[in-house]
Amino acid sequence: GQNIDQPTEMTATEGAIVQINCTYQTSGFNGLFWYQQHAGEAPTFLSYNVLDGLEEKGRFSSFLSRSKGYSYLLLKELQMKDSASYLCAPMDSNYQLIWGAGTKLIIKP
Amino acid sequence: GAVVSQHPSWVICKSGTSVKIECRSLDFQATTMFWYRQFPKQSLMLMATSNEGSKATYEQGVEKDKFLINHASLTLSTLTVTSAHPEDSSFYICSALVPRAGNQPQHFGDGTRLSIL
Repeated sequence: GQNIDQPTEMTATEGAIVQINCTYQTSGFNGLFWYQQHAGEAPTFLSYNVLDGLEEKGRFSSFLSRSKGYSYLLLKELQMKDSASYLCAPMDSNYQLIWGAGTKLIIKP
Repeated sequence: GAVVSQHPSWVICKSGTSVKIECRSLDFQATTMFWYRQFPKQSLMLMATSNEGSKATYEQGVEKDKFLINHASLTLSTLTVTSAHPEDSSFYICSALVPRAGNQPQHFGDGTRLSIL
């Protein structure tokens, strides 16, 4: 079957760094996406990895290891507005995104 | 960049009413659109994949006659919740697939919050 495993909730301090881990199993693989979703809103795209390694994009970086079925999202210089759910979504062989429940990130002053 | 417009953003109506939600791709042609439903504090649940000019592919457990999907053009897909009941109250989100977008194949609409009284 296909599944996603992420921590349900994480707490971090404003200005700090946090790493959100994700392990996955899919039928085929066409890359992995990270989305941010604020409560009551639709997801917004953050990053995409299809090859192993680190992709850096401003305060956000995403890492992928295909052999391990593992990815993480790294958020630096945390701001209060970063409080949201972060969704790890691998894409299967049919180009469908597989969604888990995501990680709720709480930022404290 | 690619934009997906979803309308309406909020619907409140009586039980038994049918509700239509529109999903439009504004600056690109979307041959494939997806309809999701999300209950509070739960993950996005794919309801169906909508392909232009053909019948939608529904996920297991989603009633085809309850959730009617029409994708008559390359820029518009509609979801009609027929004879809606309180248990259909949820957040409905559409997304459109942009095959040539490279690193962002799914663009999301802003979602529709449906409340059935």
